[in-house]
Amino acid sequence: AQTVTQSQPEMSVQEAETVTLSCTYDTSESDYYLFWYKQPPSRQMILVIRQEAYKQQNATENRFSVNFQKAAKSFSLKISDSQLGDAAMYFCAYRSPRSYTPLVFGKGTRLSVIA
Amino acid sequence: NAGVTQTPKFQVLKTGQSMTLQCAQDMNHNSMYWYRQDPGMGLRLIYYSASEGTTDKGEVPNGYNVSRLNKREFSLRLESAAPSQTSVYFCASTTGGAKASPLHFGNGTRLTVT
Repeated sequence: AQTVTQSQPEMSVQEAETVTLSCTYDTSESDYYLFWYKQPPSRQMILVIRQEAYKQQNATENRFSVNFQKAAKSFSLKISDSQLGDAAMYFCAYRSPRSYTPLVFGKGTRLSVIA
Repeated sequence: NAGVTQTPKFQVLKTGQSMTLQCAQDMNHNSMYWYRQDPGMGLRLIYYSASEGTTDKGEVPNGYNVSRLNKREFSLRLESAAPSQTSVYFCASTTGGAKASPLHFGNGTRLTVT
C-alpha cells in the first residue's frame, strides 16, 4: 500500500518570504498523481496544485510551485511571497493510476504566517 | 453550483446512539468517498464508492456502514457510536475515470461522541 509522509508537523514563515513544505511517498507504481490541498481554519479542503508523475515539468500555480523528484519520491511545495491568508494546514496526497482509487493523504503540516 | 453538500455540520451523540451523515453532490461525479480527520492523523479513508451500486472498505471501516443511494448521494451510518468516533468527517467526490481529477470536498461534519 502506498504511504505519504509529511515530516514537518508545523512550519512558520514571515510574510513575503518563501517557505517549502516537504512530502515523500512510497510506491512501486511508475505512473501516479500527486496533490497538495490547503485546509484553512474554515475546515474547507482546497486544491492547491497537482502533478502527474509522467510529466517532467514541475507544476506551478501562481505563487505555489512544486519540486517533484521522482527518483527520490519527493514532492515538496514551495510558497513564494507568503501572505497571511496562506496560514493553514497543508496536506500532500497520492493517487494510484488505477481508475476510481481514493487519495492517500499525509498527516499534514500546519503553516503559520508571521506579519 | 453547490458542489458537495454534507449534513449536518455539527452533531453531538451519546455513546451507543446511532446516526447517519448525509452527502450529496451535484457534479455528476461517479466516485464518492468518506474520510475522517483526526489531529495529527491526516485524512483516513473510511469507505468509498467507485461508482453507483458499488462500495468498498477503506483504511478504517470498523463501526461504520455506507449506502450509495443513487449517483448523487452517499451516506455514512454509525450504528452504535463510540467516543473513538469523535472526529471531523468529510465526504468527497470525483469523476473517477479521469485519473488526475482531484477530489471535491464537502465542508465536513464535526461529530462529538460523549
